[in-house]
Amino acid sequence: NAGVTQTPKFQVLKTGQSMTLQCAQDMNHNSMYWYRQDPGMGLRLIYYSASEGTTDKGEVPNGYNVSRLNKREFSLRLESAAPSQTSVYFCASAGFPLMNTEAFFGQGTRLTVV
Amino acid sequence: AQSVTQPDIHITVSEGASLELRCNYSYGATPYLFWYVQSPGQGLQLLLKYFSGDTLVQGIKGFEAEFKRSQSSFNLRKPSVHWSDAAEYFCAVGSLSYNTDKLIFGTGTRLQVFP
Repeated sequence: NAGVTQTPKFQVLKTGQSMTLQCAQDMNHNSMYWYRQDPGMGLRLIYYSASEGTTDKGEVPNGYNVSRLNKREFSLRLESAAPSQTSVYFCASAGFPLMNTEAFFGQGTRLTVV
Repeated sequence: AQSVTQPDIHITVSEGASLELRCNYSYGATPYLFWYVQSPGQGLQLLLKYFSGDTLVQGIKGFEAEFKRSQSSFNLRKPSVHWSDAAEYFCAVGSLSYNTDKLIFGTGTRLQVFP
């Protein structure tokens, strides 16, 4: 029972490089989320998605793009990485409505931009 | 827009002592509220949640939380803390929309437990 799987677990990028963080869930959830976690800042919502093909901006969307190609997968792309994007990124999924369920989280991707 | 405030960045308690972690929310309608725990290097695990009904909710690991609408609070409590409770705790508020729910977290409270 995998739940929410994120790849990679660790990544080092140079400033200006691009990369895509992958997230997949096997719980048939409609809602998916991307967060970043920074010391003292908690988890901040980057983007979220209600279903395939739909996405909405969260609290800190600048510098990121997302794609929800199907129900299982929700990817986060950094087009031109900056040191300020050094963070731990968490993907989550949940059924809808959230009041009847809970959000399940992946183990995180630790990204360092040098 | 909804928001969550956790006033205490770091709390230290002795093992066996009682614990209360504070959470205040801002949301125009009746919120649904969550407490999550994150152990070092791990993902997040749900402790408990509140949507409606009884304002005192019980969760896993002996935790409970009380919803107080008049104070816009949802504080987490435990009568007797164990060393294994050392972790970071996050309060979150969910907002209902027609096709999905936005889930916003507070900044977290780091709990340290002394033997």
